[in-house]
Amino acid sequence: QSVLTQPPSVSGAPGQRVTISCTGSSSNIGAGYDVHWYQQLPGTAPKLLIYGNSNRPSGVPDRFSGSKSGTSASLAITGLQAEDEADYYCQSYGVFGGGTKLTVL
Amino acid sequence: QVQLVESGGGLVKPGGSLRLSCAASGFTFSDYYMSWIRQAPGKGLEWVSYISSSGSTIYYADSVKGRFTISRDNAKNSLYLQMNSLRAEDTAVYYCARIRGELGLDYWGQGTLVTVSS
Repeated sequence: QSVLTQPPSVSGAPGQRVTISCTGSSSNIGAGYDVHWYQQLPGTAPKLLIYGNSNRPSGVPDRFSGSKSGTSASLAITGLQAEDEADYYCQSYGVFGGGTKLTVL
Repeated sequence: QVQLVESGGGLVKPGGSLRLSCAASGFTFSDYYMSWIRQAPGKGLEWVSYISSSGSTIYYADSVKGRFTISRDNAKNSLYLQMNSLRAEDTAVYYCARIRGELGLDYWGQGTLVTVSS
């Protein structure tokens, strides 16, 4: 049982918008700690996708966006593409979510 | 460009020891906190340990406390993880990652596989 709760899976058709939720508590997200998001393509190391709740590292398309409110955070992906099929993890301070597998239909 | 290259993984018997290394390049290693993250086969990510830029501040997950020791050599641009009393549940790919800001992990190595089995 991860400290941060994510849905095990989400799916969407190419071009659609999907969101992935990350629910924490007053000990992590709710305490004001930043939320970061990572994308892990099959067989590769995780890659930083969003840092500090809503900031994109250089090179990450603006189709990816992050937000945070209270004890939860969300990752939104618009204009879904086949290459977005991956596992996505949220992280706040020293804890990770359990991961969400995104399937592009 | 930033590069992190892990080494030292392998097959070890329960109760055995391994020392992982992470060679860093492309940035001023001594300016950054560094961490070890692991991922058991088919599972999610787990924070193992982190160390401050000077080595004065160290964190361990409860699951490894007392068995694992993180260290760094800023002169050699290297991060280490000494793993003792290994258990089957320590089997995982171990990643070295650079920390930015509030424990965000902005660069990751390719990982090294540790398998604990008799």
